[in-house]
Amino acid sequence: AQSVTQLGSHVSVSEGALVLLRCNYSSSVPPYLFWYVQYPNQGLQLLLKYTTGATLVKGINGFEAEFKKSETSFHLTKPSAHMSDAAEYFCAVSDVARDYKLSFGAGTTVTVRA
Amino acid sequence: DVKVTQSSRYLVKRTGEKVFLECVQDMDHENMFWYRQDPGLGLRLIYFSYDVKMKEKGDIPEGYSVSREKKERFSLILESASTNQTSMYLCASSLSGRVQLSGQFFGPGTRLTVL
Repeated sequence: AQSVTQLGSHVSVSEGALVLLRCNYSSSVPPYLFWYVQYPNQGLQLLLKYTTGATLVKGINGFEAEFKKSETSFHLTKPSAHMSDAAEYFCAVSDVARDYKLSFGAGTTVTVRA
Repeated sequence: DVKVTQSSRYLVKRTGEKVFLECVQDMDHENMFWYRQDPGLGLRLIYFSYDVKMKEKGDIPEGYSVSREKKERFSLILESASTNQTSMYLCASSLSGRVQLSGQFFGPGTRLTVL
């Protein structure tokens, strides 16, 4: 069984500052890893994913994440925060054996200060 | 543009009522999901369907049932609503065996309040 831990339920950053959201996972088999974003009153939208190959993956809106197997981590970063990045972010993991099932972290709410 | 739609954005029901939440996807996806989203708990899977008339329990199926009579439509049923079922409900869909390609596609959610 897999699980996801997101460190920090709330993150506040200044506009233009680095955004760093932490995600650690546990999985008994090689995982697929995802980051989703949820804007207020909307459903979840896929930001980026890691499946195989290059461990640094780029997503939409300038976000990227790095899969580190040795640290069982998949942290999300954006070099320069924009006001429009204010949202809730979810990390999720699935495994290749049961790829239909995603396990989600508790979420991190990002606030961007002007 | 791919789309998952949910019948209501906001719903208010009374304790004991039977509640139907409807979800429709236009992507010809085999898999459909119902999640419940609560603050601090993330998304928890209620039920999953991998084909018409086929379903599997997720992590928190108690108090819920589902129906999938057509490939594009997946319904969540609360047989007798209770106040602890007040929550945001999210529907999602994905291609079978292809979650690694595009993940799951989510609807906008239904915020259900049970009084």
